[in-house]
Parts: sequence; C-alpha cells; structure tokens
Amino acid sequence: SQQGEEDPQALSIQEGENATMNCSYKTSINNLQWYRQNSGRGLVHLILIRSNEREKHSGRLRVTLDTSKKSSSLLITASRAADTASYFCHGGGGSNYKLTFGKGTLLTVNP
Amino acid sequence: EAGVTQFPSHSVIEKGQTVTLRCDPISGHDNLYWYRRVMGKEIKFLLHFVKESKQDESGMPNNRFLAERTGGTYSTLKVQPAELEDSGVYFCASSLDRALEQYFGPGTRLTVT
Repeated sequence: SQQGEEDPQALSIQEGENATMNCSYKTSINNLQWYRQNSGRGLVHLILIRSNEREKHSGRLRVTLDTSKKSSSLLITASRAADTASYFCHGGGGSNYKLTFGKGTLLTVNP
Repeated sequence: EAGVTQFPSHSVIEKGQTVTLRCDPISGHDNLYWYRRVMGKEIKFLLHFVKESKQDESGMPNNRFLAERTGGTYSTLKVQPAELEDSGVYFCASSLDRALEQYFGPGTRLTVT
C-alpha cells in the first residue's frame, strides 16, 4: 500500500508565486517527510513533521499535517526557478518501514 | 556526522553488462534500504537489510539483481546482466531503527543503453 500519494501530479507557476502540494497516506505514521528530486539527480530531504505536530516551517517551506484526514500539504512561498523539481512525500515510522512513494508532484517554476 | 553516501553518482553501461552500486549508510545504522525510481514513475522499495541480513527483499524485480551487505556496513547492489528497463535512479537509505526516519543518499543514476 502506498504511504505517500501526491497531488496534483503537475503544477506550473510563475516565479514569485506560491506553490501548494498535497499528500495523502493510508496507515498510521510516526512522521511524514517531504523530499525533492531535481531532474536526473538524487533525493533531497526537505522537511520532517512528526505525528504530534500540526505545522512546521523551514525557510520558504511550510508543512502541515492532519492525522485525522491522513494528509499533509507542502507550501513553497516566493518560488524560484531553482525550485523546479519533483516533490515526494512519505509517511514513515511505526510498523511501516517499507516506504512507498507516489509519483510525486512535478513543479515547474517559470522565470 | 556524514550522511548516507552512494557511489557512483552516475553510471552509463550497455545492455548486457554488469554494474555494481555501492551504499555507505550512516555509521551505526543497522537498517539499510534500497529503492529505485524508473523514468517518471514511483520510487519503489527494493529491499531492507538489518545488519548483514536481508529482512525483506520483496521489491527486488528479478534475479538479475543481487544485494549484499557483508559485515553489516556498506551494501552493494549488482545488476547482471543489465537491461534497458533497469535505467533509473537507485536510492539507498538507512535508519537507526526500522521504526525511525530513514535518511536517503543522493542516489545513483543508472543509464543502460
């Protein structure tokens, strides 16, 4: 079963705009993490939010977690062209060690 | 503290050749995982080691893939013989405990031509 299903699949915005991506998961988690993968490159960890947290900030990133709805959102403010990448989430911890990601949200920030 | 490292960062090989990918987990992390993302698709779990033992290799696509973790430190993933559909990015992750967060390496991009 997937522990990270991102929505939308693709998002195209202009530089300076905000980008919001959503993630849903199925089973209980201890934490939820967001990652970014630039084209052809590795997976970069962005932010981790624990199940007892509702919101977390890191620079231009804001993550929310709603465990009752089993969903999370990632907001990138004042986007830059360098933010262009695929964004993935996964819920982890507990008995679910076999992390499974969705197809990600492909974010394109146009200069 | 050093993070998870992977080598090489990029490998280009011909169909039928053999490639070995290496992953060095964070020191002290007994749990090591391999994942891969083929072009435009999901990142999928391949297998999980606890120390040198394979705990779960249910995600390994076929017997052309062989993962080892001799001594319980670094791990290798060998693809022999490589096929075109093996192209993608192979990620390694490690964790202190299977219930805790996994830390990912930068990945190895494999291109089979």
